[in-house]
Amino acid sequence: RKEVEQDPGPFNVPEGATVAFNCTYSNSASQSFFWYRQDCRKEPKLLMSVYSSGNEDGRFTAQLNRASQYISLLIRDSKLSDSATYLCVVIPNSGYALNFGKGTSLLVTP
Amino acid sequence: EPEVTQTPSHQVTQMGQEVILRCVPISNHLYFYWYRQILGQKVEFLVSFYNNEISEKSEIFDDQFSVERPDGSNFTLKIRSTKLEDSAMYFCASSEAGAGGGLDTQYFGPGTRLTVL
Repeated sequence: RKEVEQDPGPFNVPEGATVAFNCTYSNSASQSFFWYRQDCRKEPKLLMSVYSSGNEDGRFTAQLNRASQYISLLIRDSKLSDSATYLCVVIPNSGYALNFGKGTSLLVTP
Repeated sequence: EPEVTQTPSHQVTQMGQEVILRCVPISNHLYFYWYRQILGQKVEFLVSFYNNEISEKSEIFDDQFSVERPDGSNFTLKIRSTKLEDSAMYFCASSEAGAGGGLDTQYFGPGTRLTVL
């Protein structure tokens, strides 16, 4: 079983649309959760950390459901510049390694 | 804004040769990491380094790999005898603190693309 699973997409949405990505993780003792963004052939860049209470940063909202081992990312009012691959990332209960999902590809079209 | 830097941006080598990939982490960060991403695949953890020693490594990080902090600024990854399957993008990352604290965000460098022929 993969440790971090994501729907690879691609998600093709028009500008202004709302889009949601989901992610599941297998290690119930995982302690830290993130969404990173990766543009083609570039490094992953932190989009936001994910907290148990849910958190919002502008147009982006992240939710964590520990009971279901499920993380989500909601993007409102999509911009062309949001086109990228969104990586769900989990740190297990011990250690420092980021466990990456394979990513969900988003293409925002005019 | 401080950033992680990596050199070279692209390294081409022959199978069996040694390569050293270099990284300069963010200056006040104490934890350093190497990851790799084979084309079309997910980012994979290789090793973490703290207080001048390896704190964690993955199954990928076998005896062919080593890391070093030769001075106060550089952090290197050495592959002793490269294989075709080592071709990948190698990312260095650093963080202020280890996992679980509020300062555990890992910041990535732009990567070194390693091509083994």
